[in-house]
Parts: sequence; structure tokens; C-alpha cells
Amino acid sequence: NAGVTQTPKFQVLKTGQSMTLQCAQDMNHEYMSWYRQDPGMGLRLIHYSVGAGITDQGEVPNGYNVSRSTTEDFPLRLLSAAPSQTSVYFCASSYRDSHTDTQYFGPGTRLTVL
Amino acid sequence: AQSVTQLDSQVPVFEEAPVELRCNYSSSVSVYLFWYVQYPNQGLQLLLKYLSGSTLVKGINGFEAEFNKSQTSFHLRKPSVHISDTAEYFCAVTDAGNNRKLIWGLGTSLAVNP
Repeated sequence: NAGVTQTPKFQVLKTGQSMTLQCAQDMNHEYMSWYRQDPGMGLRLIHYSVGAGITDQGEVPNGYNVSRSTTEDFPLRLLSAAPSQTSVYFCASSYRDSHTDTQYFGPGTRLTVL
Repeated sequence: AQSVTQLDSQVPVFEEAPVELRCNYSSSVSVYLFWYVQYPNQGLQLLLKYLSGSTLVKGINGFEAEFNKSQTSFHLRKPSVHISDTAEYFCAVTDAGNNRKLIWGLGTSLAVNP
């Protein structure tokens, strides 16, 4: 049982490049989410999904796209990277769409946009 | 609107000393409360949560927290810390009646010194 996995661990992009951050979980969780973590700003929710085929925006969705074609995978796409997207990105999952359930976090992806 | 304030951004402490990390929240409705820990270069993991019942909640690694409704606080305590407790600690709150949104504090960095 690997839990929540994220790839890559580190990435450097140039402004304007696109990329996909991968997230997968093997716990059959319905709920998955993406956060970014920035110094002094804590964790901010980017997008979330309550099940395959269903996604919704969090508090900072601009510049990011997501899709959920399977229960296991929830990739985050940066369409045209900007320096403001330099951050640490965490994927999380939980059994249900309820925050009484424990959130399980991946190890994070450190992204630098030059 | 709900909010979470972690009153100390950094807490230095010597090994084997007691520690308290403070968390206050603001909400007009009943809440559920959480503490998560982030060890260096890792994702977050749940330490403990308060949903209902006893206001003293025990978590992993010897941590406990007390829910104080009148003071709207959920302070985290440990009677004797170890070097391995060095980490970032996050308090979070969600609306008990509609617990789909988790509000995060900015985190407290606990540094345990020998």
C-alpha cells in the first residue's frame, strides 16, 4: 500500500512552459485535492475532486487545470508556467468528501519557475 | 467566515521540555478541529482531531490537544519533546455541519534543540 504518490519530486521550468504534476493513490479514496504551500501563506486549495469525472475549483485555481478520469489518478496541469507558481505542491486524498475523514498527503513536488 | 490563527510562527524548545503550540479559531457554527504535522521534506500527516465527545484529545507521538469552546482554542501540548518532534505543525478547522472545506492555519515551526 503506497498511499499517495507524487511525481516528480523536483522540477524547474521556464516561464511559459507547460507540465503535469502527477498524483496517484491506491486507497480507493473518493476525494482528492491539490494544495500549494508558500511561506507565510500556509496551504491553499487549488482544485479538488469528489470522484471520478467530477472536479471543482478551490481558492486559487487560476493557471491550473485538473481532470479525474480514474479513482486513482488526479493530475495537475500548469498550462503556461509563471514565476508566481513557484511553490511546493501537495496532493491529498481522503475516503469521502468530508473533512472528518483523515487527509493523506503525498510527499510533495517542489516547482521552480524561472 | 471561519478562520484559524496560530499564535506563534516559531517555537524553540529544549529536548525533554514541555511544549504548547497555540491555535485559536473563529466560527459562528460548531466546528471540527485538527492538528497536522509536517516533518522536513515530507507531506502532512494527521496528529489528532476533535469531532465530538471528550474535549481532551490524544494523538500520535504523545501529543494531545484540548478543545476549549468558550475560548475558541485548540492548543496542542506535549509534556516532553524529542529532537524528532522538530517539524511544522498546522491547525485546521471545518464547519461541523458542512465539512467540505478545511481552513488551515499558517503553521508553527517547532525547533527542538539538544
